[in-house]
Amino acid sequence: QQQVKQSPQSLIVQKGGISIINCAYENTAFDYFPWYQQFPGKGPALLIAIRPDVSEKKEGRFTISFNKSAKQFSLHIMDSQPGDSATYFCAASLSGSARQLTFGSGTQLTVLP
Amino acid sequence: DADVTQTPRNRITKTGKRIMLECSQTKGHDRMYWYRQDPGLGLRLIYYSFDVKDINKGEISDGYSVSRQAQAKFSLSLESAIPNQTALYFCATSDWGDPRGTDTQYFGPGTRLTVL
Repeated sequence: QQQVKQSPQSLIVQKGGISIINCAYENTAFDYFPWYQQFPGKGPALLIAIRPDVSEKKEGRFTISFNKSAKQFSLHIMDSQPGDSATYFCAASLSGSARQLTFGSGTQLTVLP
Repeated sequence: DADVTQTPRNRITKTGKRIMLECSQTKGHDRMYWYRQDPGLGLRLIYYSFDVKDINKGEISDGYSVSRQAQAKFSLSLESAIPNQTALYFCATSDWGDPRGTDTQYFGPGTRLTVL
């Protein structure tokens, strides 16, 4: 049962363009939505995260947009750079002590020079 | 993240063999996790542990077992490996934090396991 659906599976963007990756979730009890970035041969690393009490969070060129009513959230990468080429995973977790992350299927982003 | 190490980094084994993947962390975190990564499926949780005496099954625990030898060490075992356990395995850690903390998980570099 996939509780977090991520699209697209792969994305190719020109340098300087905007990369957009979308995720949709089913469980309305999720209250924490992080994005992880993974470079080849490395483990995922937290990029940016949001909680549902805000609709947008921006850190540098990376922005999360959150739509609680639609149960969707997205990652926007402005002025995409070749160094941003990586696999991106969205995730969601429930409140409480467990804090298990449910991950999306991943998006492989390639930024062309 | 060098604070979370995994051994071995690569392993090729045969069907039916017992395999142990090891994870060590120097971050001082209580929580440790084992994930499996498959193309198109993302990361799926196998087991997690909140302390040495607390082990919990994740989404896909069948065919796997774990041991939390110390706060810093968490091992994953495949008692009798099968080809569909061929995957990339990640260990991760996190801090307890407060209910509205960052809940950041710190991942190791991964172990690529191939079962022939």
